[in-house]
This record gives sequence, C-alpha cells and structure tokens, in this order.
Amino acid sequence: DGGITQSPKYLFRKEGQNVTLSCEQNLNHDAMYWYRQDPGQGLRLIYYSQIVNDFQKGDIAEGYSVSREKKESFPLTVTSAQKNPTAFYLCASSSIAGSNYGYTFGSGTRLTVV
Amino acid sequence: QQQVKQSPQSLIVQKGGISIINCAYENTAFDYFPWYQQFPGKGPALLIAIRPDVSEKKEGRFTISFNKSAKQFSLHIMDSQPGDSATYFCAANAGGGATNKLIFGTGTLLAVQP
Repeated sequence: DGGITQSPKYLFRKEGQNVTLSCEQNLNHDAMYWYRQDPGQGLRLIYYSQIVNDFQKGDIAEGYSVSREKKESFPLTVTSAQKNPTAFYLCASSSIAGSNYGYTFGSGTRLTVV
Repeated sequence: QQQVKQSPQSLIVQKGGISIINCAYENTAFDYFPWYQQFPGKGPALLIAIRPDVSEKKEGRFTISFNKSAKQFSLHIMDSQPGDSATYFCAANAGGGATNKLIFGTGTLLAVQP
C-alpha cells in the first residue's frame, strides 16, 4: 500500500540533545512537508521541499533543520536551539503536477522533552 | 491575506443533527479548498475538497458549500454520528502547480453526543 511512514511514533529528548524524525513516502510525490501541531492549535509549517536537494523555510523554521537527498525521504532534525520542542510532528507529501493538490499525511511523531 | 479563518473553535452536536463549520479567506488566488479530518493521535486525512468553479460538492453525509463572492466555504455533516467526533481543518491552496502549499485553518473540535 502506498503511503507515508513516520518513525518513531513516540520520541523522548533530553535537554540539549538533537533528535531526528524520519519521514518516508512511496507515493512518488515530488513535494514533502513538515508541520508542528500543539494542543488545541492548528498546523504550523516548519519546512517544505518541492524537489530533491532543495527546501524552503516555513513559518516556524527556527531550531529545525531538514534534508532532501532522496525523493522518498525528508527527515527533520529538532536541534537544541529549539527551546520548546514538545509537540506532535506531522509529515505530509503531495503531487505538484496536474490538478490534485491534496496532501497525504503520516501518522505523526509525538516528541517530548524530558 | 494568506490566512484562512475557521470557526467555531469547538462544536457539540447531538447524534443525528447537522454539524456546520465555516471558513473564510482573503486571497482570491486560492483555487483549491480541502477539508481534513483528524482523530486523536493520528494524522489528518483528506475528507472532501472543492474548487471555486462549483458552489457545492457532496460526498455521502459530507457537503462543502462554497460562496466565491463572499470568499467563504463551509463543511456540513448531515446526520452526525459519534464516530464523526474529531478535529476538522479547512485549508486553501496558496500556489498550485509548481508551488503547492496549503494554508490551514486553526481547526474545529467536533463532539457528537449519543
């Protein structure tokens, strides 16, 4: 089945540590996105990538970094510079061709600072 | 001008009733308006979507009404069921084609009481 796989489902980070969240898709989508969701809040865009080896900052990129070395993969690193990283992180992908702009989301990674 | 404003923030409906969630936008360049449904601990899933060349789209119990002149669109859930209890997000496409970036509303938490 085609879809997006995020791992791990739960992640615990110590203060000052960098952690990397994995996102893999087998939908042959060109674009991939990372969102942060806090309780009772909407989806805030962290980074997005329309093509391999290229990505753009979203609305809340500070303290995060990404890479896009393969079309299928778009890992997100939460660095120690991110002061409040506890949140639910969602990865999504979409086609940029034709007229179908819908996103497919992964099942999310819940990150907790301990 | 890039915002999508969603209301209400939360909604309680009796089983069998009609749930109505409203969204408004300013950017007339938006050309794709999807709704997403999210259950706790899961990623959002595409529910239904509409383009501005039609005023209504129905899929089962879910209907999108679109008012281009007022720059508003709404989701109607007919015969609401407890299984519909979830968070609903409206969104609008901010680029289309080579720049597919959705702008999300802040979400509506729907509770359908049995």
